[in-house]
Amino acid sequence: DTGVSQNPRHKITKRGQNVTFRCDPISEHNRLYWYRQTLGQGPEFLTYFQNEAQLEKSRLLSDRFSAERPKGSFSTLEIQRTEQGDSAMYLCASPTSGRPGELFFGEGSRLTVL
Amino acid sequence: LAKTTQPISMDSYEGQEVNITCSHNNIATNDYITWYQQFPSQGPRFIIQGYKTKVTNEVASLFIPADRKSSTLSLPRVSLSDTAVYYCLVGVSFTGGGNKLTFGTGTQLKVEL
Repeated sequence: DTGVSQNPRHKITKRGQNVTFRCDPISEHNRLYWYRQTLGQGPEFLTYFQNEAQLEKSRLLSDRFSAERPKGSFSTLEIQRTEQGDSAMYLCASPTSGRPGELFFGEGSRLTVL
Repeated sequence: LAKTTQPISMDSYEGQEVNITCSHNNIATNDYITWYQQFPSQGPRFIIQGYKTKVTNEVASLFIPADRKSSTLSLPRVSLSDTAVYYCLVGVSFTGGGNKLTFGTGTQLKVEL
């Protein structure tokens, strides 16, 4: 258990529906990352928060994706009008207070779009 | 960000030492080299990080030559539970830059009896 909690763990939805994932990071850490991972590929960076500010967003992220982190605590990732290509594992990560580049990842939220 | 190249897959047997080499010819002066491990249906897990020479912890060693254009992750006496994908990353700077980690496709290690 890394201390990073993600919900739901699995989500099956129909194309065109909206879905929302939640991440509860390690409480004392002010940075939070979202990644997406498809089968056979490494995790792909989506976005990054420092407290409540979204500091970086991947250019690969379409306008259907939005992420928030109100009050710098938990974060949500919403996908509107889902497409089959959105099927993936969505990972949230919280850095340690030690080494740079050392992230604690949650177990992910697996999305299947039918 | 510096690109990394590592073998797609490797096979080994229990009790053997496994060495996974990663090439990163364009590594920047300030970059660390970081390795992650990932099991199916789990998020990646940090294994080890280094800047130069050799780093050792309770699970692995990391060898980095003087030119830093490659690195080798060494797993001593692997077991079946070491079957996983291993990712080599560069681009995290100790000066505070490189906030995001860029993963490649990794090396699928399969350990057999």
